[in-house]
Amino acid sequence: DQQVKQNSPSLSVQEGRISILNCDYTNSMFDYFLWYKKYPAEGPTFLISISSIKDKNEDGRFTVFLNKSAKHLSLHIVPSQPGDSAVYFCAELAGGTSYGKLTFGQGTILTVHP
Amino acid sequence: KAGVTQTPRYLIKTRGQQVTLSCSPISGHRSVSWYQQTPGQGLQFLFEYFSETQRNKGNFPGRFSGRQFSNSRSEMNVSTLELGDSALYLCASSRQGVTEAFFGQGTRLTVV
Repeated sequence: DQQVKQNSPSLSVQEGRISILNCDYTNSMFDYFLWYKKYPAEGPTFLISISSIKDKNEDGRFTVFLNKSAKHLSLHIVPSQPGDSAVYFCAELAGGTSYGKLTFGQGTILTVHP
Repeated sequence: KAGVTQTPRYLIKTRGQQVTLSCSPISGHRSVSWYQQTPGQGLQFLFEYFSETQRNKGNFPGRFSGRQFSNSRSEMNVSTLELGDSALYLCASSRQGVTEAFFGQGTRLTVV
């Protein structure tokens, strides 16, 4: 069964520093990994994605790195801002006939202190 | 460009009742997926529709069903509600179901 794991339940960072959020996966046959940011009682907000053929993708303050040999990806936020405080989920979009099915990690609570 | 719209935002229902939730996808998006979020289970996939056809289904009982209309709007229905169905129900849309998905604000269902 596909598994996506975010082993750190929480992360605390000072404003202006780098936040690094990590995710491990088991399924090698995926199309994309996506990162979402979520506030309580709201829907996840799409941040950035990376396809299986890349090892890095950047969008402004957000960079995602993919290490396929280690089955590991990470989201870097630089510089971190207090408004970044939220729950961050990584999600796998598998290929083949797994239409529309995102498999989510458990989430990491990021707190950015002023 | 309008985002994904879910209605209603909040619902309170009694055990045994049924409920219908609605989702309007982003214009041009033909794939609509539904998810359930609970504190214990996290975000779990319910089902996905594309061009009025269910293409994928998660591991939920038959009480959970859905449909999609020709304008890509989707509804999900939960029959014979149980206390454990209390959750945030999220709808996501994407162009084909194999690219980035964008979520609505969700419907908070409370079963009492």
